[in-house]
Amino acid sequence: KQEVTQIPAALSVPEGENLVLNCSFTDSAIYNLQWFRQDPGKGLTSLLLIQSSQREQTSGRLNASLDKSSGRSTLYIAASQPGDSATYLCAVGRLSNTGNQFYFGTGTSLTVIP
Amino acid sequence: NAGVTQTPKFQVLKTGQSMTLQCAQDMNHEYMSWYRQDPGMGLRLIHYSVGAGITDQGEVPNGYNVSRSTTEDFPLRLLSAAPSQTSVYFCASAISQVYTGELFFGEGSRLTVL
Repeated sequence: KQEVTQIPAALSVPEGENLVLNCSFTDSAIYNLQWFRQDPGKGLTSLLLIQSSQREQTSGRLNASLDKSSGRSTLYIAASQPGDSATYLCAVGRLSNTGNQFYFGTGTSLTVIP
Repeated sequence: NAGVTQTPKFQVLKTGQSMTLQCAQDMNHEYMSWYRQDPGMGLRLIHYSVGAGITDQGEVPNGYNVSRSTTEDFPLRLLSAAPSQTSVYFCASAISQVYTGELFFGEGSRLTVL
């Protein structure tokens, strides 16, 4: 079974700092990897989706990288803002005989201090 | 844009009661799924469907039932509620489980079983 780990569980940074969130997975035979943002009491919002053939994806101040061989993905947030405060989750998609199954990490709770 | 709509947002049940969590999407997505989110455990897949009339079990299916009679709707039924089913439930959909894999989530349904 695919195990997905996100470290650290919580992170607090001052506004303006660049930061990196980590996601590691045990099985490198992945189909894709997706990063989500979750605000308290809300659903998950997709941030970036990386297919297994890609190395990175960028959207605005966000950049996600994927290294399948080492079982790692990082989410880089540039010039952090208080509005970035949320929990960030990664989900690894893995093809099975019934289709693409997603395995989620437990998330990193980010607080950006004004 | 409605996206993925879940009802109810909050529900309190007594042990042994049954209920149905509703999920509807207006994006013509083939793939629909139900997750539960518990503290420290991440999101776990309960059931999923790759099209009308097709459903399959995920990681934690016991105590839950699903059906997919239309493309738009994917209700989750709790047959006899237990305190262990206290959780936040999320419905998610994707255009196709294999084509892109990008998941779109509803706002969640918070269930308490007494």
